[in-house]
Amino acid sequence: ETGVTQSPTHLIKTRGQQVTLRCSSQSGHNTVSWYQQALGQGPQFIFQYYREEENGRGNFPPRFSGLQFPNYSSELNVNALELDDSALYLCASTPGTSAQETQYFGPGTRLLVL
Amino acid sequence: LAKTTQPISMDSYEGQEVNITCSHNNIATNDYITWYQQFPSQGPRFIIQGYKTKVTNEVASLFIPADRKSSTLSLPRVSLSDTAVYYCLVGDTRFSGGYNKLIFGAGTRLAVHP
Repeated sequence: ETGVTQSPTHLIKTRGQQVTLRCSSQSGHNTVSWYQQALGQGPQFIFQYYREEENGRGNFPPRFSGLQFPNYSSELNVNALELDDSALYLCASTPGTSAQETQYFGPGTRLLVL
Repeated sequence: LAKTTQPISMDSYEGQEVNITCSHNNIATNDYITWYQQFPSQGPRFIIQGYKTKVTNEVASLFIPADRKSSTLSLPRVSLSDTAVYYCLVGDTRFSGGYNKLIFGAGTRLAVHP
């Protein structure tokens, strides 16, 4: 158990819809990162939030957006869903932004876009 | 950030020692080497991290030669429950613009047989 939880566990949406995924980080962890993992591939970095501000972003379009709240919860929002957005979405938390810090991953939300 | 190369898959038997080697020829001076383990439908889990020489914890050892262009994860006496995907990552916060994103490759799929 990492102390990181995500909801929902599974979700089915249709193309063009919007989705919000939620993550609850470990208490005291000021950094949350979101990753997308397609089937058979490694996770791909979407973006990172540190103390409620986005401080880094991967190669994902603006329709992927996020929020981080003071209570160590966060959201990943995806607008105008596409079929290729079907994946496992993972969040990970750390106390800060150092490369030496262990990232604690949640179990993920599996999104299927039809 | 340095790119890593690992074998796509490996097979082993219960009780054997497994060594997974990762190549990272372009590793930077301040990069750390980190290994994660991932079971199906779960988030990755931190195994071990090192900078140079040898690091050992309760689950694995990490061997890093002097040139740091490769590293080897050693799992002693594997069991069926060690069947998973193992990812080797390198990175440094300063080369990420101040945030600690993880760059995952495809990983090594380890299958442990009875």
